[in-house]
Amino acid sequence: QKEVEQDPGPLSVPEGAIVSLNCTYSNSAFQYFMWYRQYSRKGPELLMYTYSSGNKEDGRFTAQVDKSSKYISLFIRDSQPSDSATYLCAMSSNTGNQFYFGTGTSLTVIP
Amino acid sequence: DGGITQSPKYLFRKEGQNVTLSCEQNLNHDAMYWYRQDPGQGLRLIYYSQIVNDFQKGDIAEGYSVSREKKESFPLTVTSAQKNPTAFYLCASSSLRNTEAFFGQGTRLTVV
Repeated sequence: QKEVEQDPGPLSVPEGAIVSLNCTYSNSAFQYFMWYRQYSRKGPELLMYTYSSGNKEDGRFTAQVDKSSKYISLFIRDSQPSDSATYLCAMSSNTGNQFYFGTGTSLTVIP
Repeated sequence: DGGITQSPKYLFRKEGQNVTLSCEQNLNHDAMYWYRQDPGQGLRLIYYSQIVNDFQKGDIAEGYSVSREKKESFPLTVTSAQKNPTAFYLCASSSLRNTEAFFGQGTRLTVV
């Protein structure tokens, strides 16, 4: 079983839709949770960072962490064509020395 | 501006050659990482370092070598022993608490 599972998509939505991206994980020691946005042929850009459980909002983006279910989500409201990218989830623990990444979900927002 | 700089952006390697990818950071991070990204496979860890003059192998270290002589720099050498080196290579850094990683813009290596 992989440490982190992420549906690769592809996901295609109309402009203005609410997008939900999700990851599940198996290691209960994970405490730090990240979402990255990666445009084609570019490095991943840190979008959201959350510590432990709960919600975090930044503009049109909301990150949710449910540690009891080992499930994290990223919601994008009022999606724009510029949101078209691959979204990677990642997580780590304060006792380890690595990050664990999902394989990424490809998102296309259609104008 | 603080960040991670990878160079070159594109690199072409002939069969049997060693090539070195540069990674420099000015974020004052102790930990640095090298990942390889292939289509549909996500990020795979090649090497990581948490302190100067020390580094550890990741999941796919065979055919690669690194050095960490300075805190700011973590170059990756792709040796001729790496049989399938064509890929997108990403360098990242973080604090030792592993709270979040920051990435460079990547180097695309192609074997010609």
